[in-house]
Amino acid sequence: DTAVSQTPKYLVTQMGNDKSIKCEQNLGHDTMYWYKQDSKKFLKIMFSYNNKELIINETVPNRFSPKSPDKAHLNLHINSLELGDSAVYFCASGSSYEQYFGPGTRLTVT
Amino acid sequence: AQTVTQSQPEMSVQEAETVTLSCTYDTSENNYYLFWYKQPPSRQMILVIRQEAYKQQNATENRFSVNFQKAAKSFSLKISDSQLGDTAMYFCALRDLGAGNMLTFGGGTRLMVKP
Repeated sequence: DTAVSQTPKYLVTQMGNDKSIKCEQNLGHDTMYWYKQDSKKFLKIMFSYNNKELIINETVPNRFSPKSPDKAHLNLHINSLELGDSAVYFCASGSSYEQYFGPGTRLTVT
Repeated sequence: AQTVTQSQPEMSVQEAETVTLSCTYDTSENNYYLFWYKQPPSRQMILVIRQEAYKQQNATENRFSVNFQKAAKSFSLKISDSQLGDTAMYFCALRDLGAGNMLTFGGGTRLMVKP
């Protein structure tokens, strides 16, 4: 009964490739998110998305694009991967008073 | 812009003792939520406790409690009867309801519980 799931959990790829990370939640929340955790453990919001609105963090390169086929899914597509994209990416879903995270995807770009 | 600061990069505590992790924040909003998340080595982000800014009463969840000082913009986490399983990174987070419900995180405190 995983509340927020992500696939894959580990992703190793070469520079210049395009990759996707999938996220699904079964909590019935309207809003989903992508966060990035760097090698120093800093967590930073990338996107917030609900049925009506996509809120983009201005510091996120446009190589990153979220796509939501329905309320329960928010996938992250990354084009032309760079070494600096190596990090752990967390999907989350939430309401105004709670937010639950997926297990994270460790992306390694070589 | 809202900010969250955790001034203790690392802390340690003996098993069964009590430890307090500090967090300060800044926001221009009057209505917001504060959270503590635990991240064990498994890297899963686990919600430990939350506090609504409009509630004066400090939140408590079993061995975890907070000291919320709204005027001082302080939100510390107290862990009582520390257990080995409490060893983890702890993140303080702020949700400003006017900012798309996104969380702003502090830099984290690495807590080691020693046997």
